[in-house]
Amino acid sequence: QQPVQSPQAVILREGEDAVINCSSSKALYSVHWYRQKHGEAPVFLMILLKGGEQKGHDKISASFNEKKQQSSLYLTASQLSYSGTYFCGTRGGSNYQLIWGAGTKLIIKP
Amino acid sequence: DAGVIQSPRHEVTEMGQEVTLRCKPISGHDYLFWYRQTMMRGLELLIYFNNNVPIDDSGMPEDRFSAKMPNASFSTLKIQPSEPRDSAVYFCASSLAQRLAGGYEQFFGPGTRLTVL
Repeated sequence: QQPVQSPQAVILREGEDAVINCSSSKALYSVHWYRQKHGEAPVFLMILLKGGEQKGHDKISASFNEKKQQSSLYLTASQLSYSGTYFCGTRGGSNYQLIWGAGTKLIIKP
Repeated sequence: DAGVIQSPRHEVTEMGQEVTLRCKPISGHDYLFWYRQTMMRGLELLIYFNNNVPIDDSGMPEDRFSAKMPNASFSTLKIQPSEPRDSAVYFCASSLAQRLAGGYEQFFGPGTRLTVL
């Protein structure tokens, strides 16, 4: 089952914060976050494993609530370079394939 | 170190023609994934290999699609015959499974933009 991402799109001013959510109807082993800029390939941001850990990457952090089967990506003090489409990929078990969400388009304006 | 290499970067062909997309994964990686991305369907996994062996091809749309990985440094995705609805960006990604850590990162190639007229 494809995870559900929300919102579908968000427009921010530079310096504002954003939260992108990813939820699944299935039990999750891990959640993976990627960013794709227009015309480019997706680029890895971070992985969250079950256990509810929170990770950070510069001013981008994420949490994983295993019980709720949800993950959230937090972008703090957004920069123009954060613009792009953010995808979550979920992994439910021992196989290595990811099921990808539809993506959240983030537009940062100066 | 070079990343994932894909060729060609752009391909324009006519309906009914055979199309072959190529991928060279990062040296040492043991997983290889083929994806298709369209506006309508998003990012779809077509097939993935582990140590050159196809593990799951359930995402391959139909018999017109085939993929091979003859060795650890090369994979092909073939469409024969091609149709306009195959127009998409095709990505290859590779990964090194980190079983102890439980997680792994996929490195994507630049993609091949396929247009079938």
